[in-house]
Amino acid sequence: ETGVTQSPTHLIKTRGQQVTLRCSSQSGHNTVSWYQQALGQGPQFIFQYYREEENGRGNFPPRFSGLQFPNYSSELNVNALELDDSALYLCASSASPSGGQETQYFGPGTRLLVL
Amino acid sequence: QKEVEQDPGPLSVPEGAIVSLNCTYSNSAFQYFMWYRQYSRKGPELLMYTYSSGNKEDGRFTAQVDKSSKYISLFIRDSQPSDSATYLCAMSAYTGNQFYFGTGTSLTVIP
Repeated sequence: ETGVTQSPTHLIKTRGQQVTLRCSSQSGHNTVSWYQQALGQGPQFIFQYYREEENGRGNFPPRFSGLQFPNYSSELNVNALELDDSALYLCASSASPSGGQETQYFGPGTRLLVL
Repeated sequence: QKEVEQDPGPLSVPEGAIVSLNCTYSNSAFQYFMWYRQYSRKGPELLMYTYSSGNKEDGRFTAQVDKSSKYISLFIRDSQPSDSATYLCAMSAYTGNQFYFGTGTSLTVIP
């Protein structure tokens, strides 16, 4: 059984640029959730994808968008990067979209630095 | 008021000590409670997963949930230097699809 993988591991961008982060879900999992973790803070929910559709969104602006593919892998896109977007971006996969009924397993994260 | 409150520490204990980590929450709809361990610059790793009030034990770890007080705890017995990490509590509602995390408590176990 393969775990959750994310790429790239680190990324440096400048303000105003766009970035795409990638996630491969754990084998057998059909749901992917994305979180942003600022330094010294807990992860904050960005959105969830289930069956290739957005299935819930946290308090993040529309410049944060995503995709899920038929193999359940997922992308997080962030447009018009701001300095405050610097954070660890975590992908979590689960066997169903229902919170808690199927717990979420996290990947190692992508550390984004916006200069 | 944040939905989940967690003392950020840092907490420093000698090897072999019993560690107590705690979170409080305000949303009575939360029914599922998790504890994750996060090493520096890594993703969170699931430690314990509980539903409803009561205790759950797994090796040196015990998770405790008191829904009436909206309070959860994680106890670590015979703490080891390898337990040094940040511990995150997380919770979710039955019908929700997102996890709500505390800010994490930084723990150092001194040999």
